Amino acid sequence: QVQLVQSGAEVKKPGASVKLSCKASGYTFTNYYMHWVRQAPGQGLEWMGIIKPSGGTTNYAQKFQGRLTMTRDTSTSTVYVELSSLRSEDTAIYYCARDLFVEGRRYFDYWGQGTLVTVSS
Amino acid sequence: DIQMTQSPSPLSASVGDRVTITCQASQDISSYLNWYQHKPGKAPKLLIYDASNLETGVPSRFSGSGSGTDFSLTISGLQPEDIATYYCQHYNDLVFTFGPGTKVDIK
Repeated sequence: QVQLVQSGAEVKKPGASVKLSCKASGYTFTNYYMHWVRQAPGQGLEWMGIIKPSGGTTNYAQKFQGRLTMTRDTSTSTVYVELSSLRSEDTAIYYCARDLFVEGRRYFDYWGQGTLVTVSS
Repeated sequence: DIQMTQSPSPLSASVGDRVTITCQASQDISSYLNWYQHKPGKAPKLLIYDASNLETGVPSRFSGSGSGTDFSLTISGLQPEDIATYYCQHYNDLVFTFGPGTKVDIK
């Protein structure tokens, strides 16, 4: 069965960087794009970006351009997201989500369990 | 950029009520619209894709409709386990946008 297992909670100071992982299993890793989505306390879901595991191509939300990097390791079926220059507003739960692309349509069909990132001095 | 709005928020209803959440896009998005349910402490869950298609395993009391700029998600007979926040989501090429969410609770 499809599983996305994310790394554990992180506590970071303002200005630092954080790198989270999402390990996929139960399907062919390179056949599906992967997204990162976050939810800050009391806020809604926010799409951050997408990565194509087969070639590493990425597309980031405009808001995160310049401080967001998504990478992947096909040997371990893992995608990573790194966010730099952290500020308190980056405190959130971060989710990876698999992209299902069928007949020109896309949706997020499987999600990781979420990783809490706390940014605090 | 296409903006998504949702109403109402929050929404309070009784068990068994028919509940409708609306989602409006700032321009025509055809049927490129999905709906997700998000419960506290859990990962979001896909309910409806392409505006009106029920995801496998989702109870039939959930339904979606609409195209162009106006969409709706209906719960026909609200159940206690439906307490959650519901998000519409649009995508264009490889840019994705969530609506602000509608929090549903029991009166």
